[in-house]
Amino acid sequence: TQLLEQSPQFLSIQEGENLTVYCNSSSVFSSLQWYRQEPGEGPVLLVTVVTGGEVKKLKRLTFQFGDARKDSSLHITAAQPGDTGLYLCAGWISSNTGKLIFGQGTTLQVKP
Amino acid sequence: DTGVSQNPRHKITKRGQNVTFRCDPISEHNRLYWYRQTLGQGPEFLTYFQNEAQLEKSRLLSDRFSAERPKGSFSTLEIQRTEQGDSAMYLCASSLVGRQPNEQFFGPGTRLTVL
Repeated sequence: TQLLEQSPQFLSIQEGENLTVYCNSSSVFSSLQWYRQEPGEGPVLLVTVVTGGEVKKLKRLTFQFGDARKDSSLHITAAQPGDTGLYLCAGWISSNTGKLIFGQGTTLQVKP
Repeated sequence: DTGVSQNPRHKITKRGQNVTFRCDPISEHNRLYWYRQTLGQGPEFLTYFQNEAQLEKSRLLSDRFSAERPKGSFSTLEIQRTEQGDSAMYLCASSLVGRQPNEQFFGPGTRLTVL
């Protein structure tokens, strides 16, 4: 059973379209992170959200942390082929542990 | 800041052989983590160290797996008597305790293939 459920697991869209990826849990997280990973490489951190209801923007990417700190979303506006990759949400149940829990990932393919 | 490095990048071995991977964290980072990732899935936590102390181990880390960080700098992950199910990407990450939020920086991984 995944503690963090991501949806959709796979997304194939045309360049210029918008998309949203969801990360949901029944547990409360002290903070959540979003990573992007390309084939053969390690995940690269995009953003960390800490406060319930927090919204962060990174160019065309908008990240939101749910009010109850159990869910998060990633919205990409006007997707580009360079956005193609595996998007992972990850979080800590407690700020006292080093164990980072990952979702299963969303594979995004943006076609030119 | 040269980032987290891992060696080797790829390892092919026969079932039953032992393998060892190395991770060099970002120099000032005192925490070091190991994860395992299979194709199309998110990384699964294996273990982590704070300095040389191993603070937490996952149940995924069977008796055939052992990790060390003897001087609180680089770390090694050894898998004994490899099985085909051990085939995966092994990721290392490091972080600095006290920096909020606790952000982990990942290396490029070691891809293990067990034949």
